[in-house]
Amino acid sequence: AQSVSQHNHHVILSEAASLELGCNYSYGGTVNLFWYVQYPGQHLQLLLKYFSGDPLVKGIKGFEAEFIKSKFSFNLRKPSVQWSDTAEYFCAVNGPGGGNKLTFGTGTQLKVEL
Amino acid sequence: GAVVSQHPSWVICKSGTSVKIECRSLDFQATTMFWYRQFPKQSLMLMATSNEGSKATYEQGVEKDKFLINHASLTLSTLTVTSAHPEDSSFYICSARENYNEQFFGPGTRLTVL
Repeated sequence: AQSVSQHNHHVILSEAASLELGCNYSYGGTVNLFWYVQYPGQHLQLLLKYFSGDPLVKGIKGFEAEFIKSKFSFNLRKPSVQWSDTAEYFCAVNGPGGGNKLTFGTGTQLKVEL
Repeated sequence: GAVVSQHPSWVICKSGTSVKIECRSLDFQATTMFWYRQFPKQSLMLMATSNEGSKATYEQGVEKDKFLINHASLTLSTLTVTSAHPEDSSFYICSARENYNEQFFGPGTRLTVL
């Protein structure tokens, strides 16, 4: 069965610092990859997704993620974080072979300090 | 973007009673709805997938007689936790999608069983 690992459970950064959140998945077949964000008191929202093509994916709010197939990774990055990026971030994988099921990582709580 | 609502947002009930949670897609037709469960500091775990007009498909280890799912229309799915016990206390989240598009998540329902 597919599993998703997010290595950083809690991250604290100062504004303008760069961010990278790790995400690795276990099964190496055809997969679709997602990053979701959950702001305090709000529902999960899609940040970005990778289905095929350019492995460097641009998302909303200045986020991007790079799919490295050989490393089974899909790390999330942002060059300069803002206080408003404080939220919980979830990596999710749909696959193998696409299909319905999304497997989520345990989430990373990001706190950005002024 | 597409909106998914859940009702109630939180519920407290006595052990042995049943609780119904509603999930509605407000501005699109949800051919598929998903129910997840999230324990504190853990990831979302898919419980079941339901297609409109069909029986739900439950994930391994999820008791279908305990967690009754009905998806009677293209905008409404319900999850009924029958004979709830304290170990059923959790955060229940639904998502919905139209055809094979992106999943949109509801805000979740916090269930506490006394």
